[in-house]
Amino acid sequence: AQSVTQLDSQVPVFEEAPVELRCNYSSSVSVYLFWYVQYPNQGLQLLLKYLSGSTLVKGINGFEAEFNKSQTSFHLRKPSVHISDTAEYFCAVSVNGGATNKLIFGTGTLLAVQP
Amino acid sequence: GAGVSQSPSNKVTEKGKDVELRCDPISGHTALYWYRQSLGQGLEFLIYFQGNSAPDKSGLPSDRFSAERTGGSVSTLTIQRTQQEDSAVYLCASSLWGGGGGDTQYFGPGTRLTVL
Repeated sequence: AQSVTQLDSQVPVFEEAPVELRCNYSSSVSVYLFWYVQYPNQGLQLLLKYLSGSTLVKGINGFEAEFNKSQTSFHLRKPSVHISDTAEYFCAVSVNGGATNKLIFGTGTLLAVQP
Repeated sequence: GAGVSQSPSNKVTEKGKDVELRCDPISGHTALYWYRQSLGQGLEFLIYFQGNSAPDKSGLPSDRFSAERTGGSVSTLTIQRTQQEDSAVYLCASSLWGGGGGDTQYFGPGTRLTVL
């Protein structure tokens, strides 16, 4: 079975500061990794995903994430955040080559950007 | 183009009643998913449809929950004899291929279900 852990339920940060949202996963098989963002009262939107190749993945809105296989991590970073980045961020995995493409989500991290 | 749409956006019902939630996926997407988002359980997978294959129902929490997908497009999630613990936001997503290829899932805005 697969599981995803997002240890930080909430991360407060000042505008223009850098931020890192942590994600660790557990799986006995190869997985794909995703970060989704959910703005207030909206659905989920894909930020970025790792399927294969370069372990540094760049996404929308200036976010990037690095896949670290040995540490089973996929942390999300942004060098300078804006007020508009305030949202909930979800890390997720799906099984590489599995029968379905279902996503297994972490519990989410609320990024609260303060002026 | 049009994204995934869901209706209704909000549904309030009384305990014991049946409800139907509808999802219109992106045109041409062969895979469709239902998830549930609740305070206590976070985001949970419910069911997955891919083309004409048998659906993956492994996430349905009880036999009160069922779903169908007609004509490979629109899907309806039905909850019978609703309970208060069914209160949640029900999210639908679609993707181009499904399977184990990691293709991107596009989510609808969700249906907020409140069971009184």
